[in-house]
Amino acid sequence: EAQVTQNPRYLITVTGKKLTVTCSQNMNHEYMSWYRQDPGLGLRQIYYSMNVEVTDKGDVPEGYKVSRKEKRNFPLILESPSPNQTSLYFCASSATPGQRYNEQFFGPGTRLTVL
Amino acid sequence: AQSVTQLGSHVSVSEGALVLLRCNYSSSVPPYLFWYVQYPNQGLQLLLKYTTGATLVKGINGFEAEFKKSETSFHLTKPSAHMSDAAEYFCAVTSNTGNQFYFGTGTSLTVIP
Repeated sequence: EAQVTQNPRYLITVTGKKLTVTCSQNMNHEYMSWYRQDPGLGLRQIYYSMNVEVTDKGDVPEGYKVSRKEKRNFPLILESPSPNQTSLYFCASSATPGQRYNEQFFGPGTRLTVL
Repeated sequence: AQSVTQLGSHVSVSEGALVLLRCNYSSSVPPYLFWYVQYPNQGLQLLLKYTTGATLVKGINGFEAEFKKSETSFHLTKPSAHMSDAAEYFCAVTSNTGNQFYFGTGTSLTVIP
């Protein structure tokens, strides 16, 4: 089954404790992206990747890091989480970067709470 | 720059009534527009998309949307609401490079039995 998977689905942590949210897709997609969803703000893009070793900032990159060492994986790293990073996070992928008609396929989400 | 605005953060309709969810866009280039649905505790799922060609786009689950350039709108409709349509709906537009998606703030649809 074609899918985007994220782990963990739920995470409660404390301020300053480094964490990684994993994302993996099995569709051989070149493009991957991370979003955060907050009430009243919709989804905002954090980082995206056009291909292996190619990443770029989205609209809200502060406090986050990403890496793309393999085509299928795109982990999101919070080096020193803060309470304002409490949010619902989605990973997404699509087939061909730069093609405006390509829809994105979304993972199930990771709900992060930072105390 | 591209953006979308969704009017109405909450919409309630009776079962069997018309569903109308509004989306207006702003784009410096011909827009590519999408509607996604998010069911509780799930990721986003594509309902339909407009790229070029026919301005009336049909999607899954009986939804459709009409691209109106003169009104810069891409409203989502369904003739008869079903209880299973209760969800959050997002309108989105791609950037002119296709590398970024810009989402609206979402509309939560409640269907009243």
